[in-house]
Amino acid sequence: QQQVKQSPQSLIVQKGGISIINCAYENTAFDYFPWYQQFPGKGPALLIAIRPDVSEKKEGRFTISFNKSAKQFSLHIMDSQPGDSATYFCAARGSLGGSNYKLTFGKGTLLTVNP
Amino acid sequence: EPEVTQTPSHQVTQMGQEVILRCVPISNHLYFYWYRQILGQKVEFLVSFYNNEISEKSEIFDDQFSVERPDGSNFTLKIRSTKLEDSAMYFCASSMTGDTQYFGPGTRLTVL
Repeated sequence: QQQVKQSPQSLIVQKGGISIINCAYENTAFDYFPWYQQFPGKGPALLIAIRPDVSEKKEGRFTISFNKSAKQFSLHIMDSQPGDSATYFCAARGSLGGSNYKLTFGKGTLLTVNP
Repeated sequence: EPEVTQTPSHQVTQMGQEVILRCVPISNHLYFYWYRQILGQKVEFLVSFYNNEISEKSEIFDDQFSVERPDGSNFTLKIRSTKLEDSAMYFCASSMTGDTQYFGPGTRLTVL
């Protein structure tokens, strides 16, 4: 119920290509869905986030698509660059009760963008 | 830009020893969290802290763990008797509203 399933585990894309990472969840109490980017040895950094009342959100080259009925959301990175090479985590916030607002993370996707 | 800071960046300890990991959240934030990440795995929630008390803790956060906000600026995680399996990156995070959580750079804990 609390899991967030993320795929693929790893992704290799050519420079200028589109990177797509998918996530699915079961808990309908989740109400906020952020994506984090993590470079080796660093903490996760918020990239972009969406709420379930919106089907798409775009910030620069990064777009989240959200399908509430399917309980799925995805990150699209347009014009992928070598500097985008990192691990990407989807996450979901919320719980069935309480106000702790903890994040439940997916297992991560290691993105490699080849020059 | 305000950021979450954590000290030390790397802590090496012997099994059974106590460690204290320190965090300075962003100054006007109200929600505080600890997460951990075992090498190569996903980030896992440990505990959340709001209004000077624990609001939720995970199964991982057993009696060996405790958190404290001793002086209104620092937020600490104590592990009383470390085990080999406690070796991980520990991340502190803070949030103003419970929405966006900002993570610190982490403390790498190595238990020998």
